[in-house]
Order: sequence, then C-alpha cells, then structure tokens
Amino acid sequence: DSGVTQTPKHLITATGQRVTLRCSPRSGDLSVYWYQQSLDQGLQFLIQYYNGEERAKGNILERFSAQQFPDLHSELNLSSLELGDSALYFCASSVVGDLLDTQYFGPGTRLTVL
Amino acid sequence: LAKTTQPISMDSYEGQEVNITCSHNNIATNDYITWYQQFPSQGPRFIIQGYKTKVTNEVASLFIPADRKSSTLSLPRVSLSDTAVYYCLVVTNRDDKIIFGKGTRLHILP
Repeated sequence: DSGVTQTPKHLITATGQRVTLRCSPRSGDLSVYWYQQSLDQGLQFLIQYYNGEERAKGNILERFSAQQFPDLHSELNLSSLELGDSALYFCASSVVGDLLDTQYFGPGTRLTVL
Repeated sequence: LAKTTQPISMDSYEGQEVNITCSHNNIATNDYITWYQQFPSQGPRFIIQGYKTKVTNEVASLFIPADRKSSTLSLPRVSLSDTAVYYCLVVTNRDDKIIFGKGTRLHILP
C-alpha cells in the first residue's frame, strides 16, 4: 500500500459524458501527478500539481482538466469522453515535486467508455 | 530528455539472478537513472535510483559504468512474484516531466 488513494476504482460511462477522478496523496506529500495508461500508448504523463499550483503539463488533452485543492487532494476531470479515453488513470504523489523525488502511485481508476 | 532503450521482454527462472540493461546514450551531467516496477493493473513502484558506480538496496542493485551511457538493474534470486514490467527512466530536476517508455516485461518461470 503506497498511501495514495484513488476513487472510484472502476468507472463505466458513455461517450460524450463527463467524469471526475479523485486522488488523495500520501500524508505530507505536496505534489500530485496524473498519468494515463492504455494498452497502445503505455504510461503517459498528463499533469503535475505542487501545493495547489500547476507545475508541469504533459500530453493532456484540452477536454481534460485537473486541480489540486487546499487539502492537497486532486481531481482529474475528463469531459466529452471518447472511446479512446478508456484507460487506467493513475495518480502519484511525491514530497516536494522535484522529479528526482520518488513518486508513490495509487491503485488507479479504470475508466471504460462505451 | 535522455531517451532510454531496454529489451521489450525477458524470461528467467526462479532462483536465478536477472540483469536488465538499459541504454541511455544521451544522458546529461545532471541526470539520474531510476527504475520502477509495475505489476498488472497496479501503479508503478520505485525500485532504485543511482548516479554512478553501484547502488544497492534490499530489493535490487544498480550498476552504472563510468561513461553512464548504460545501466544494469540486477535482481538477485528472483521468484515468480518478480514477474512484472520494469521501467528504466533518466530523470533530472531540470525537466518538467518523466517519460516512462515501454519498459521490459520480465517473466519468471518455475
């Protein structure tokens, strides 16, 4: 158990819908990262937040957005969902957000878009 | 970002030592080498990180030659539970993201 929690564990929805994935970092960690993992694309970095502020952006689509709240939990919002958005979405946290920090990954949310 | 190259897959047997080599020809002075392990449907887990020579922890050893253009993750006496995907990453605090790549799919046989 990494100490990072993600909810929900599974999510099934339809094309065109909007969903919100939630992540609670390890106690004391200030930085949160979001990743998408699909069979054909591997593990893709989406976005990083540090202490409530966006720090780095990866291959995140404009239909996706994220935020980190004052209590340091984070939410990833996915809208206008397409079949290709079906994937495992991982959240990770680290102490200070330096890329040399160890990242602790949550168990993931499996999103299925029908 | 330094690109890494590692074998797509490897097979080994229980009790053997497994060495997974990663090539990173364009590694820069401030870059570190980091390895993560991922089991099916789970998030990656940090294994080890190093800059040069040898690093050892309770799980693995990391060997980095003087030119740092490659590195080798060594797993001593593997068991079936070591079957996983192993990612080699080159990371630096100068960059703004980590690239995981495809990893090496290690399959341990009984």
